[in-house]
Amino acid sequence: GNSVTQMEGPVTLSEEAFLTINCTYTATGYPSLFWYVQYPGEGLQLLLKATKADDKGSNKGFEATYRKETTSFHLEKGSVQVSDSAVYFCAPPRGSGGSNYKLTFGKGTLLTVNP
Amino acid sequence: NAGVTQTPKFRVLKTGQSMTLLCAQDMNHEYMYWYRQDPGMGLRLIHYSVGEGTTAKGEVPDGYNVSRLKKQNFLLGLESAAPSQTSVYFCATHRAGQPQHFGDGTRLSIL
Repeated sequence: GNSVTQMEGPVTLSEEAFLTINCTYTATGYPSLFWYVQYPGEGLQLLLKATKADDKGSNKGFEATYRKETTSFHLEKGSVQVSDSAVYFCAPPRGSGGSNYKLTFGKGTLLTVNP
Repeated sequence: NAGVTQTPKFRVLKTGQSMTLLCAQDMNHEYMYWYRQDPGMGLRLIHYSVGEGTTAKGEVPDGYNVSRLKKQNFLLGLESAAPSQTSVYFCATHRAGQPQHFGDGTRLSIL
């Protein structure tokens, strides 16, 4: 079945540092891939997405490229800000077939950015 | 603003009491989910639904029941609340192949 393996945190960086959070997946076919972000006290919200191989999703300075050859969807940002402090989730790929909707998110990666 | 609405936002219960959490969506999405989020445990799936009238168990279904009588509503019931069910509960919905939309959460404390 489909699944993801996400780098566990916590990750602590100084402002303007480079960020990478690793995510690798297994999936049947080529489902869309998503990163979500959860700010303190809030629900999850979509950060970016990629719908096919070699697609690059981007939003708020974050990027992730759907790499079929390495089955990866790593999240990157060139210069993090204090306001990026949050928990980041790489979503398990969902596709047709009932069992793929039973997938859960996991722990996510807690990012703390210090001034 | 359209989206996913969870009620109530906060609740305190005594052990053994029952209650129902409501998730309502106005986006005509087929798929709906209930998760719980606990410190150090991440987001875990309780139950989910792939369409009106259907429900299925997730990763941690024990102690919870659900119903999806109407497409727009997904109810999560606690029959006899236990302190171990103290958590933050999130509802999410989506269309096939599209990202999930999450509610703001229900913070539930059981004494």
